[in-house]
Amino acid sequence: EAGVAQSPRYKIIEKRQSVAFWCNPISGHATLYWYQQILGQGPKLLIQFQNNGVVDDSQLPKDRFSAERLKGVDSTLKIQPAKLEDSAVYLCASSSPAASGGRDTQYFGPGTRLTVL
Amino acid sequence: AQSVSQHNHHVILSEAASLELGCNYSYGGTVNLFWYVQYPGQHLQLLLKYFSGDPLVKGIKGFEAEFIKSKFSFNLRKPSVQWSDTAEYFCAVNAFSSGSARQLTFGSGTQLTVLP
Repeated sequence: EAGVAQSPRYKIIEKRQSVAFWCNPISGHATLYWYQQILGQGPKLLIQFQNNGVVDDSQLPKDRFSAERLKGVDSTLKIQPAKLEDSAVYLCASSSPAASGGRDTQYFGPGTRLTVL
Repeated sequence: AQSVSQHNHHVILSEAASLELGCNYSYGGTVNLFWYVQYPGQHLQLLLKYFSGDPLVKGIKGFEAEFIKSKFSFNLRKPSVQWSDTAEYFCAVNAFSSGSARQLTFGSGTQLTVLP
C-alpha cells in the first residue's frame, strides 16, 4: 500500500512570497489533515478535510493560509504572503474513519520543509 | 482544551538500558492514545495505539505502553534499547466529545539518543 505522498520535500522562499504544497493521501482515505511542525515542537493541526469538505480549520491563519481538496482526493496548502515565522515542516496525514468504526489512525507523509528568509 | 505533556525533552541511554518515556494528558473523558516515532530523515510512523480494552499495549520493535487512567498517563517503555532506536518520540491524544473524536494533539516530543 502506497503511503501519503507530499511535494516538494524542501522549499526556500523569501518573506512576502507565496508557496504551495501538495499532498496525495493513501488511496481510499476520506480524511486528510495538514499540520505545521515548528522545530522543537510537536505537529499542530492546521486544517482537517472529510472528503472535499472542511471539518476543522480553527487553527488555520486564514489571512495568509488557504487549503483546498476540490475532488476529495489530493489537496494543496498555500501560504500567501509568507512570513519568517512560517518556517516549519508542513505535514500531511490521512485516515479512514469509516473503515475503523471511528477509531481512526492517522498516517503521515514525509513533509515539506519550508524555510522563509 | 486538551494538552499533552512530555517532560523529558532529551534522553540519552546506552545500548541494553531500559527506557521509559513519560506522557501525560489533560482531559477527563474518553481518549485515544498514540505514540509516534520519527527516525532521522524519515517521516512520522505509528509505534502503537490505545483505543480501549487492555491498558497494556504492545507495539512494533518491542515497545509497549501502559494507559493509567487515574494518572492521565500513557508512558512508553522498552526493556532493552538498541542504537537503532535513536529517534524522536511523540505522544498524541485525541479526546471524544459528543460522540466524535476531536483533533489529535501532540506533545512536544522526546529525543532519544542511544549510545553504542
